[in-house]
Amino acid sequence: EAQVTQNPRYLITVTGKKLTVTCSQNMNHEYMSWYRQDPGLGLRQIYYSMNVEVTDKGDVPEGYKVSRKEKRNFPLILESPSPNQTSLYFCASSMTTGTQAREQYFGPGTRLTVT
Amino acid sequence: SQKIEQNSEALNIQEGKTATLTCNYTNYSPAYLQWYRQDPGRGPVFLLLIRENEKEKRKERLKVTFDTTLKQSLFHITASQPADSATYLCAPLGSSASKIIFGSGTRLSIRP
Repeated sequence: EAQVTQNPRYLITVTGKKLTVTCSQNMNHEYMSWYRQDPGLGLRQIYYSMNVEVTDKGDVPEGYKVSRKEKRNFPLILESPSPNQTSLYFCASSMTTGTQAREQYFGPGTRLTVT
Repeated sequence: SQKIEQNSEALNIQEGKTATLTCNYTNYSPAYLQWYRQDPGRGPVFLLLIRENEKEKRKERLKVTFDTTLKQSLFHITASQPADSATYLCAPLGSSASKIIFGSGTRLSIRP
């Protein structure tokens, strides 16, 4: 089944404790992206990747890191989480290329709470 | 800066009627515009994509229009059903199709 998976689905952590949220897709998509969703602020892009070893900032990259060493995986790293990073996070992938937009497939979401 | 506006208030429609949702954008010249549906606590699901040179696109009971002069897209659901109740998001995309900005979404409720 074609899908985007994220782990963990739920995470409660403390301020400053490094964490990684994994994202994997099995559709051979080149484009992958991370979003956070907060009430009243909508869905905001954190980072995106057009291909392996190519990543770029979205609208809200501060406090996050990403890497794209393999085509299927795009982990989101919070080196020193803070309470304002408490949010619902979504990973997405797409066949989008630099010149052709295609639909995005979203993962099930990761609900992160930082205390 | 780029700005995307969707109906800020929830839309309540009687079953069977046509629901019309609006997506307006400013400081932006998108080459594409996508519409997604999102149910509470779940990831968005793609519905339709329309290109700047397309005026209208249809898929079953869904219709999207794209007016680059008005800087607006309209999303219609005809013969609406309670199962159509959800939040609908629009996302204009530039020609490079890389960075993506979503509108804040419109919550649609269809009452029986």
